[in-house]
Amino acid sequence: AQSVTQPDIHITVSEGASLELRCNYSYGATPYLFWYVQSPGQGLQLLLKYFSGDTLVQGIKGFEAEFKRSQSSFNLRKPSVHWSDAAEYFCAVALTGGGNKLTFGTGTQLKVEL
Amino acid sequence: EADIYQTPRYLVIGTGKKITLECSQTMGHDKMYWYQQDPGMELHLIHYSYGVNSTEKGDLSSESTVSRIRTEHFPLTLESARPSHTSQYLCASSGSFTGELFFGEGSRLTVL
Repeated sequence: AQSVTQPDIHITVSEGASLELRCNYSYGATPYLFWYVQSPGQGLQLLLKYFSGDTLVQGIKGFEAEFKRSQSSFNLRKPSVHWSDAAEYFCAVALTGGGNKLTFGTGTQLKVEL
Repeated sequence: EADIYQTPRYLVIGTGKKITLECSQTMGHDKMYWYQQDPGMELHLIHYSYGVNSTEKGDLSSESTVSRIRTEHFPLTLESARPSHTSQYLCASSGSFTGELFFGEGSRLTVL
């Protein structure tokens, strides 16, 4: 079965600093890849997704992610973090042809210091 | 803007009570899902449906049950709630084959 690993449970960055959140997956083929963000008391919102093609994908709120097949990774980045980016971030994978069943990582809690 | 709604947002009940968590979407999506989320843990799929009268159990075993009588409605029921059912329950829907889900805001259940 596929699995998703987010090795960083908590990350703290200063406002204006760059950000990278790590995500590794375990699956025999290339799955569909997603990053979701969850603000306190809210549901999950899709930031970006990768299906195929260009390995650098752009998302909402200035986020981007790069798919690296050789490393089975899909790390999320942002050049300059804003205080409003403080939230929990989830990486997820879906089997190609797997009927939209997502497998989520445990999440990374982002704190932004002013 | 996703249009998927969950009620109640918060529920505190006693052990042994029957509860139903409601989930409705106005996007006409065929696929709907229930995920269970505990603090510091990943989301676990507990139920899903690919259309009316279609329901399946997810990867995480759950004592809850679901029904899908109408496309837009996917309620989750616990016949007899226990403290171990305390969790947040997230409903989601999808209209594509590529796994993009739209989530509701969640129902946080506390069983005393």
